[in-house]
Amino acid sequence: DVKVTQSSRYLVKRTGEKVFLECVQDMDHENMFWYRQDPGLGLRLIYFSYDVKMKEKGDIPEGYSVSREKKERFSLILESASTNQTSMYLCASSPHSNQPQHFGDGTRLSIL
Amino acid sequence: GENVEQHPSTLSVQEGDSAVIKCTYSDSASNYFPWYKQELGKRPQLIIDIRSNVGEKKDQRIAVTLNKTAKHFSLHITETQPEDSAVYFCAAKGSGYSTLTFGKGTMLLVSP
Repeated sequence: DVKVTQSSRYLVKRTGEKVFLECVQDMDHENMFWYRQDPGLGLRLIYFSYDVKMKEKGDIPEGYSVSREKKERFSLILESASTNQTSMYLCASSPHSNQPQHFGDGTRLSIL
Repeated sequence: GENVEQHPSTLSVQEGDSAVIKCTYSDSASNYFPWYKQELGKRPQLIIDIRSNVGEKKDQRIAVTLNKTAKHFSLHITETQPEDSAVYFCAAKGSGYSTLTFGKGTMLLVSP
């Protein structure tokens, strides 16, 4: 069974801090994704990666960056956290682009 | 890019009734359509998917239909049970290296 692990379930940070959200998958999947989930807005793609050291902007990349130094790990970085980045963040992975995505449990991030 | 509309946003049914959730998409080249179920406080999980070369797919009480001409697809749940209560997301993947675009979700409430 695919396991996508996000480092924290809950995280509280202050405005202006640099925040790192970590995601690890154990199935050697090529693709990894970061979404944020807000009530009434569904899942919105922030960044994705089709290979190691490769990254592509999603629909809402502003204020975020990512890192994929190893195939199994995809990190989301909030360069200078702001209150409007308070949200649920979900990581996902898939073997290829036309295959199902498997999600982690999410990180509920609060920026104070 | 792809645009996915999902209706209704909330759906209340009695146990044993059927439930139907509908989605439309904009990119005629889209070829992969998964459905995810997200229970409260949990990760989204794939429940069924369909590809563009198939018109209908069933898995026990769940079925998905696809009308490529009209660019819409639907999730059908028969004999609903209280444990079917969750938020359901549809998604569509466009051509080439495009990613999944999600609908905004439908909250299904099944009353005993």
